[in-house]
Amino acid sequence: ETGVTQTPRHLVMGMTNKKSLKCEQHLGHNAMYWYKQSAKKPLELMFVYNFKEQTENNSVPSRFSPECPNSSHLFLHLHTLQPEDSALYLCASSQDNQGDTEAFFGQGTRLTVV
Amino acid sequence: AQSVSQHNHHVILSEAASLELGCNYSYGGTVNLFWYVQYPGQHLQLLLKYFSGDPLVKGIKGFEAEFIKSKFSFNLRKPSVQWSDTAEYFCAVNAGNTGKLIFGQGTTLQVKP
Repeated sequence: ETGVTQTPRHLVMGMTNKKSLKCEQHLGHNAMYWYKQSAKKPLELMFVYNFKEQTENNSVPSRFSPECPNSSHLFLHLHTLQPEDSALYLCASSQDNQGDTEAFFGQGTRLTVV
Repeated sequence: AQSVSQHNHHVILSEAASLELGCNYSYGGTVNLFWYVQYPGQHLQLLLKYFSGDPLVKGIKGFEAEFIKSKFSFNLRKPSVQWSDTAEYFCAVNAGNTGKLIFGQGTTLQVKP
């Protein structure tokens, strides 16, 4: 148990579907992150939120839409995805978005786009 | 652009062998350095970190890493591996004191009993 919980653990969706990934952290952290982990590629940072405000969008396509209603919850809304978007999506949190803090990761959502 | 390079993609060792995994990064300013480990079926977890001070840092489970600024390196070491060390290891760099962790591609370590 990491203190960062992601749901669902697995998701299969069609290219025309709309779905959402949920992340919740119980650590009292102020920063939250979405990462994408594809096979044979490094983890890619997608979005950074600090105190509910988005501070980083790493050139992510608009078919991925993040939402951070409060410091404990982070969503990733998905629509009209492509098969190449199939990957493991990891949520992480840290005390703040400065460099000298440890990030805690959830177990991820394994997404398959068909 | 900042990047992290891990030289070994797949390492196979026998128990009690020594381990060294290479990690180099490209960034000329202040960095914070991390090694994360992902055991089979588990989440990413921190193995050790370097922010400042003694460049030789010790982490959990007997792992250590040495920051060599002149070589832009942060190699991970363990004198004697165990079967339970079988996992994927990721080097990560936070450059410029931001919240952005840049990860290497990861090294899969397989330890044979």
